[in-house]
Amino acid sequence: KAGVTQTPRYLIKTRGQQVTLSCSPISGHRSVSWYQQTPGQGLQFLFEYFSETQRNKGNFPGRFSGRQFSNSRSEMNVSTLELGDSALYLCASRGGRFSYEQYFGPGTRLTVT
Amino acid sequence: KNEVEQSPQNLTAQEGEFITINCSYSVGISALHWLQQHPGGGIVSLFMLSSGKKKHGRLIATINIQEKHSSLHITASHPRDSAVYICAVSWETSGSRLTFGEGTQLTVNP
Repeated sequence: KAGVTQTPRYLIKTRGQQVTLSCSPISGHRSVSWYQQTPGQGLQFLFEYFSETQRNKGNFPGRFSGRQFSNSRSEMNVSTLELGDSALYLCASRGGRFSYEQYFGPGTRLTVT
Repeated sequence: KNEVEQSPQNLTAQEGEFITINCSYSVGISALHWLQQHPGGGIVSLFMLSSGKKKHGRLIATINIQEKHSSLHITASHPRDSAVYICAVSWETSGSRLTFGEGTQLTVNP
């Protein structure tokens, strides 16, 4: 089985712009979670989608949003980018609603200038 | 506040040494994960535990639910083990969302 894929791998944006990141989970997995990793805050949970519904949300401003499609692929969007949004964005997929094992993608490194 | 604490933050060892990384958490969990992150960012899940002990090759993970503590051991360490090791938990009240420790930077010198 192919692993979790994320596109793009690297991205440079300017303050005020918006960005969309994509995550394709392992085939058959219906849950996708998104995480942000920064040197200052470490790894933090953004949100989780399961069967196209947001199941859980972390403590991030409304500029951060996401969605999941019927094929389980997920996108996250950040609007009005700030310098502090520069981070590694990771997604992880898991197989079932009651399965806790998560498989991480390689991440998208976003730099905001 | 639900917290995960890891120690040590940094660890330098000589090749062949036995290594232990510790993780403590504050309240009840559904599962505890040990993750490995190499430079470049990709995260690999090493173990998921809810009780007892697991072993995979030179890696051993244990958890004590009563003491809210887990350890990751690496036997016969090797320079390729150099990475950041991260403890993460799924709280009983928060579904599968993960809360992470700060990570342990391990460097194994030849």
